[in-house]
Amino acid sequence: DAGITQSPRYKITETGRQVTLMCHQTWSHSYMFWYRQDLGHGLRLIYYSAAADITDKGEVPDGYVVSRSKTENFPLTLESATRSQTSVYFCASRGLAGTETQYFGPGTRLLVL
Amino acid sequence: AQKVTQAQTEISVVEKEDVTLDCVYETRDTTYYLFWYKQPPSGELVFLIRRNSFDEQNEISGRYSWNFQKSTSSFNFTITASQVVDSAVYFCALSESMNRDDKIIFGKGTRLHILP
Repeated sequence: DAGITQSPRYKITETGRQVTLMCHQTWSHSYMFWYRQDLGHGLRLIYYSAAADITDKGEVPDGYVVSRSKTENFPLTLESATRSQTSVYFCASRGLAGTETQYFGPGTRLLVL
Repeated sequence: AQKVTQAQTEISVVEKEDVTLDCVYETRDTTYYLFWYKQPPSGELVFLIRRNSFDEQNEISGRYSWNFQKSTSSFNFTITASQVVDSAVYFCALSESMNRDDKIIFGKGTRLHILP
């Protein structure tokens, strides 16, 4: 099915471990985004990418690394997971114009013990 | 700077009642887009509507309707004859101009409970 997918959907890890969350979209959208959703904070932008090999920081980038070697993939890596990174992570994508609709993946629930 | 305020944190209504979710935005741009997303208990974020700043016509889609008023910087969402399946968190969002790197700004959401 076309769309935007995330894997894994659920992940439990331990403090200090490296974790990579995957995001894949089939629309050939230029822009891709990573958000985290926490109670009381709503959706906060971690990183975004305007195209392959172009990435930029969002509101809360510390502790995260992204890459975009292919247009359709935008993995998010937690280099050394901390408990404060326990959250629900959403990937999203949209076309070129800033006003185009963002479509979201199903989310990844991450628990850091 | 752009900002989206959803003052209602949580609303509970009895099934079949009408309910309006408020959204107030701030922007310095004359060209912008407004969005509503729904997040049901299953957790996914579902796009509902996108409206540009030049189109102030109200929109109706089944039991859903949206009232856009530039004079009050509001983009309110009404559900008519609510159903239990409407229970969800609803997010209003704003994106300014045509700048490619402009990011969408979300309100903190309104949690809607429809009681049977």
